[in-house]
Amino acid sequence: DAKTTQPPSMDCAEGRAANLPCNHSTISGNEYVYWYRQIHSQGPQYIIHGLKNNETNEMASLIITEDRKSSTLILPHATLRDTAVYYCIVRDPQDYKLSFGAGTTVTVRA
Amino acid sequence: NAGVTQTPKFQVLKTGQSMTLQCAQDMNHNSMYWYRQDPGMGLRLIYYSASEGTTDKGEVPNGYNVSRLNKREFSLRLESAAPSQTSVYFCASSGSHYEQYFGPGTRLTVT
Repeated sequence: DAKTTQPPSMDCAEGRAANLPCNHSTISGNEYVYWYRQIHSQGPQYIIHGLKNNETNEMASLIITEDRKSSTLILPHATLRDTAVYYCIVRDPQDYKLSFGAGTTVTVRA
Repeated sequence: NAGVTQTPKFQVLKTGQSMTLQCAQDMNHNSMYWYRQDPGMGLRLIYYSASEGTTDKGEVPNGYNVSRLNKREFSLRLESAAPSQTSVYFCASSGSHYEQYFGPGTRLTVT
């Protein structure tokens, strides 16, 4: 019972912005959108999260549509080290379970 | 600020042996978690601890026990290892917005 839909893979040129889409049409009012990534053989890494406003931190920006049914993670200047599987997760913060779907495999090419 | 640390990084056990995986965080987080990740699969929650002194079962607790030793440390014990427990184990802790920070993982092989 997937809560999010992401494309299975995408390529990005080094130095360009990477825009990663996520659909979450059944999101409920108290659920946040979280993004994580997992670089091969490493632990998952938290990137950013948001409820309804756009958010930016040192790693990325998160754009959430007004109806909250979809969002986009933006990596402003992709580097080779950004090659990873990116996971969009919709979650009630009080729910301890963190469910990772299949994610999007992002390959940054020189 | 080391974040979440785990020991050991690698371990090979024979069926029936026991071991404890150690996890510590230096971010003063209340909640901590243990996950396992099998090849090509997502994370599955084994146990979590919402605060010091409490622990609760996750999705796949059978064959494991945990101890929240203090606010910093959360250990996972395999009493009698089985080949089905061959996996990568990740510990995590959660911050003020319930975002989770993960350790580097322990790669466990049970033969």
